[in-house]
Amino acid sequence: DVKVTQSSRYLVKRTGEKVFLECVQDMDHENMFWYRQDPGLGLRLIYFSYDVKMKEKGDIPEGYSVSREKKERFSLILESASTNQTSMYLCASDTGGSNQPQHFGDGTRLSIL
Amino acid sequence: SQKIEQNSEALNIQEGKTATLTCNYTNYSPAYLQWYRQDPGRGPVFLLLIRENEKEKRKERLKVTFDTTLKQSLFHITASQPADSATYLCARRANDYKLSFGAGTTVTVRA
Repeated sequence: DVKVTQSSRYLVKRTGEKVFLECVQDMDHENMFWYRQDPGLGLRLIYFSYDVKMKEKGDIPEGYSVSREKKERFSLILESASTNQTSMYLCASDTGGSNQPQHFGDGTRLSIL
Repeated sequence: SQKIEQNSEALNIQEGKTATLTCNYTNYSPAYLQWYRQDPGRGPVFLLLIRENEKEKRKERLKVTFDTTLKQSLFHITASQPADSATYLCARRANDYKLSFGAGTTVTVRA
């Protein structure tokens, strides 16, 4: 089974801090994704990567950046955390192709105080 | 842009009944629609995929239909159980990479 592991389940940070969220997948998937999930808004794509060192903006990239130095690892960076970035962050991976499902980690619930 | 909408935020049903969830999409029909289950505090888990040319797909007590005329997919949980209580998400491919998700429908099955 595919396993997508997010480094923290819960995280509390302060406004203005630089925050790193880490994600690792063990199935050699080409594509990796970062979403945030908020009540009533569903899953919104922040960034994705289709190859090592490649990244593409999703629907809400402002205030975030990403890094993919190795195929299995995809990091989300909050450059200067703000309270409106308090959310559930979900990482996913897939092999690509319209009939392929995405495999998700269990999420990081991030609170910015 | 392609949108995907799930009509109901919440659905409460009695154990043993059938839950029916609706997913509507705009613009052109996707080649595939996917359905996921999400439990509180967990990430979504893939359940089923239905192709454009398939009218119906089944997996155990789950049934999914795809109506390209109505631009709609229905997700049925038959003989529902309290363990089926969760949020169910539908999704379509926006392009080769991106999946667009609906906001989800939370199902609560009462014993």
